[in-house]
Amino acid sequence: SQQGEEDPQALSIQEGENATMNCSYKTSINNLQWYRQNSGRGLVHLILIRSNEREKHSGRLRVTLDTSKKSSSLLITASRAADTASYFCATVAGTASKLTFGTGTRLQVTL
Amino acid sequence: DTEVTQTPKHLVMGMTNKKSLKCEQHMGHRAMYWYKQKAKKPPELMFVYSYEKLSINESVPSRFSPECPNSSLLNLHLHALQPEDSALYLCASRGSAGDIQYFGAGTRLSVL
Repeated sequence: SQQGEEDPQALSIQEGENATMNCSYKTSINNLQWYRQNSGRGLVHLILIRSNEREKHSGRLRVTLDTSKKSSSLLITASRAADTASYFCATVAGTASKLTFGTGTRLQVTL
Repeated sequence: DTEVTQTPKHLVMGMTNKKSLKCEQHMGHRAMYWYKQKAKKPPELMFVYSYEKLSINESVPSRFSPECPNSSLLNLHLHALQPEDSALYLCASRGSAGDIQYFGAGTRLSVL
């Protein structure tokens, strides 16, 4: 399977803390994306980082990409209860334009 | 409008039933996808349509039959499903300018 790995599998933090989740993948990529999924719902695109980029920011999100280690991290700063969700990294490689998802991290933010 | 609409939201069917899932988008996207997702797992790609033609079939059993009648609509016809086919079925679309996919809210399918 070409599926990426994410860690941790689950993360529980308090509101206001930062949350960091990591993604590793196996092949050369065009870009890496992060998606959020609220329980039992569809996925929402959060951020895309291209293979020639090392860091990207969007609001409270910071994504890094290390292509030499085939890894990425997503940092959510000043977390809120509404950030409670599953987070998936997904890579795009070659010309197929299909997403290869990581295993996901379940984030729980408590008040 | 970045909405992908899936109907129905929930579906319960017996193993001998025939049913269909529907997905619609009006963003002008020419690539549409079906995924299957089991609990606490990532989505698994089933089918990809590009310009209304099936471009990827990830070795999905024939009891799942996709159809793309036009550029806005994607169907998934279900027949003789097994209980292990119970899952969340997600539809997504992608514009030609990039790799971001827009997902519907999914259909929760239960096969009894």
